[in-house]
Amino acid sequence: RKEVEQDPGPFNVPEGATVAFNCTYSNSASQSFFWYRQDCRKEPKLLMSVYSSGNEDGRFTAQLNRASQYISLLIRDSKLSDSATYLCVVQTQSKLTFGTGTRLQVTL
Amino acid sequence: NAGVTQTPKFQVLKTGQSMTLQCAQDMNHNSMYWYRQDPGMGLRLIYYSASEGTTDKGEVPNGYNVSRLNKREFSLRLESAAPSQTSVYFCASSESPPGVGRDEQFFGPGTRLTVL
Repeated sequence: RKEVEQDPGPFNVPEGATVAFNCTYSNSASQSFFWYRQDCRKEPKLLMSVYSSGNEDGRFTAQLNRASQYISLLIRDSKLSDSATYLCVVQTQSKLTFGTGTRLQVTL
Repeated sequence: NAGVTQTPKFQVLKTGQSMTLQCAQDMNHNSMYWYRQDPGMGLRLIYYSASEGTTDKGEVPNGYNVSRLNKREFSLRLESAAPSQTSVYFCASSESPPGVGRDEQFFGPGTRLTVL
């Protein structure tokens, strides 16, 4: 089993739609979780950290389910500019493990 | 602030050639990292430097060496390039070492390397 698994997509959604991505992780001792965004042929950039109680940043909501070992990212009111690959990142002690990413394409 | 800069942006090598990828950050960060990104594999850590003067192996160190030249600069060297090293290489930096807090890693724009 991969340490961090994501559905590669692509998720094709119309502008204004709500879309959700899940990410599962294998190590129950993992302590910190993040979502990074990577535009095509660009570097990854931090989108948001994921806290145990869940957290929201504008149209983006991240949640953590430790019992089932997954994190999720919800994007409301999708914009064309949200088109990108979303990387799930899990920190276990001193190690960061990156998922392969979920590609989102928002269309008119 | 430029953030994290990398040179070169693109490079084509022949098998057996050597080269050094340069990375510099102007955020006064303590920790720096080298990753490679391959299709379907996610980012994988090659080497990191938790602080000036220290370097440690990551997940895929074979075939690479690194030098933390000073607090700003962290270089990655391929002594004898192989086709399996064809990849996109990202340098990153963070305020604290990995595992300490929830520090964001800031990435450079990447180097696209092809080994023929």
